Amino acid sequence: AQSVTQLGSHVSVSEGALVLLRCNYSSSVPPYLFWYVQYPNQGLQLLLKYTSAATLVKGINGFEAEFKKSETSFHLTKPSAHMSDAAEYFCAVSNTGANSKLTFGKGITLSVRP
Amino acid sequence: GAGVSQSPSNKVTEKGKDVELRCDPISGHTALYWYRQRLGQGLEFLIYFQGNSAPDKSGLPSDRFSAERTGESVSTLTIQRTQQEDSAVYLCASSLEGRIHNEQFFGPGTRLTVL
Repeated sequence: AQSVTQLGSHVSVSEGALVLLRCNYSSSVPPYLFWYVQYPNQGLQLLLKYTSAATLVKGINGFEAEFKKSETSFHLTKPSAHMSDAAEYFCAVSNTGANSKLTFGKGITLSVRP
Repeated sequence: GAGVSQSPSNKVTEKGKDVELRCDPISGHTALYWYRQRLGQGLEFLIYFQGNSAPDKSGLPSDRFSAERTGESVSTLTIQRTQQEDSAVYLCASSLEGRIHNEQFFGPGTRLTVL
């Protein structure tokens, strides 16, 4: 079975500071990995995805994530936080079977201080 | 174009009542997923529809939960004899095909509160 661990439930950074949201996965087969963002009162939106091509994946809004097989990690980063980045972020791994259902982590709430 | 829509946005019900949640996927999307998000938890997969194939119901937590989909359009999730632990946000997603690389587009969810 696949699983995702997102340590901590809340991260707070200052505007302009580095954003680092951690995600570790467990999978018996090469995984496909995703980061989704949920802004207040909105649906989930795909930030970026890893599908076994380049290990460094660039997404929308300046976010990127690096797949590290040796560490079973897929951490999300952004060099400089903006107030509009305040949201909940979910890491997910995809089922490699016929059904591409997503297995999600518990999510991390990012707050950005002025 | 229109995204995935869900109704109602909020539903408050009494324990023991039945509820029906609706999902309208993006037109042309053959795959449809239901997920549940309980407070402080990640999203849990409930059920998956792909075209005319038999649905994958492996995530449904009990036989009180059921879902239907009419062709490649609307889906309804029904919870019978609701319990307080059913309180959650129920999210629907659709994708062009049920394959790994296809992005799942999520609706805004239905917040269900069981008193």
